[in-house]
Amino acid sequence: QVQLQQSGAELAKPGSSVKISCKASGYTFTSYYISWIKQTTGQGLEYIGYINTGSGGTNYNEKFKGKATLTVDKSSSTAFMQLSSLTPDDSAVYYCARGRGYNPHWGQGVMVTVSS
Amino acid sequence: DIQMTQSPSVLSASVGDRVTLNCKASQNINKYLNWYQQKLGEAPKLLIYNTNNLQTGIPSRFSGSGSGTDYTLTISSLQPEDVATYFCFQHNSWNTFGAGTKLELK
Repeated sequence: QVQLQQSGAELAKPGSSVKISCKASGYTFTSYYISWIKQTTGQGLEYIGYINTGSGGTNYNEKFKGKATLTVDKSSSTAFMQLSSLTPDDSAVYYCARGRGYNPHWGQGVMVTVSS
Repeated sequence: DIQMTQSPSVLSASVGDRVTLNCKASQNINKYLNWYQQKLGEAPKLLIYNTNNLQTGIPSRFSGSGSGTDYTLTISSLQPEDVATYFCFQHNSWNTFGAGTKLELK
């Protein structure tokens, strides 16, 4: 069965970076895009962007350009998202999901907390 | 950017009720509208895609309709396990979520 297993919770200091992972299994990794979504209590769900897992091509929400960097490692069927120059506003749960507009499979989410 | 407005923000209903949730786009989204259900502590779960297509494994009491800028999710007979927050999501032009409707039992 399709599974997306995300890495564990992160506690980071303001100004630092974190890199979270999303390991796919149960399907051909390079056949589907991976999307990333941010969820906060205040802002709800925000679409960060997606990556073409075959070519590595990316497309970002303007709001997250310069904040998020999406990459993949095809050898391990893993997608990554690096968040840089962290501020408290980046504290959220981050999800990966398979596909672009059609996302039936999601990871369990990673809680990122930014605090000094 | 396309804005998605969901109404109501909170809905209280009784078991067995027919429930209707609404989602309005700021411009025509050509039926590229999905509905998700999210329970506390879980990832969103896809219920309906492209307005009226029931995702595999989702009970038939869930249905979707709409066109242009106005879309609806209907639960024909509310069950206790349907208590959740429901989000609409457009993928016609970039991708945008609505703010959600919290569905409670009366």
